[in-house]
Amino acid sequence: EADIYQTPRYLVIGTGKKITLECSQTMGHDKMYWYQQDPGMELHLIHYSYGVNSTEKGDLSSESTVSRIRTEHFPLTLESARPSHTSQYLCASSELGEYGYTFGSGTRLTVV
Amino acid sequence: GQQLNQSPQSMFIQEGEDVSMNCTSSSIFNTWLWYKQDPGEGPVLLIALYKAGELTSNGRLTAQFGITRKDSFLNISASIPSDVGIYFCAGQGGKLIFGQGTELSVKP
Repeated sequence: EADIYQTPRYLVIGTGKKITLECSQTMGHDKMYWYQQDPGMELHLIHYSYGVNSTEKGDLSSESTVSRIRTEHFPLTLESARPSHTSQYLCASSELGEYGYTFGSGTRLTVV
Repeated sequence: GQQLNQSPQSMFIQEGEDVSMNCTSSSIFNTWLWYKQDPGEGPVLLIALYKAGELTSNGRLTAQFGITRKDSFLNISASIPSDVGIYFCAGQGGKLIFGQGTELSVKP
């Protein structure tokens, strides 16, 4: 049973468009993360948050931005999508002090 | 930065065979985790290891946290077709670092 939800599951969008990928969790977790993953490849951390109004950039440089206004919500925004942004984006959450991340099902983004 | 080397990259096995994969790092980790990812889905946590030398089982899966804290392995016994997927190790010192994944294919 999924307690972390990502929408949309699939998105095909034209170059230059602004998009927001949604991520919500119902577990009350303080920590939330965004990973970028090309098909069959490793996961790269692009953003994380340890609580409301706290956001940090991850290990992989990304042109996306995030916000954390509510504990349960951690949206990711691309102001101007490019074909190089084509990838799968995975959202995850965990409790403070816990190491088992819970992942959403991901958003597969294609920029044409 | 920290890196994990996961091997093998892919495996093609017959149903019923045992499987072994491992992760090594030049860095020390406090926690080792093993995830499985099905196509089009997010990774799902299989096993978490918190102490050096710890050996933990979850059904047909067994994982160990290396004594040096720089490695971990995962064994799957008597594989079945639904074991197909990509298995990721992950180590945590600060943030969680993922290995490159092992793609497992099981032939009925």
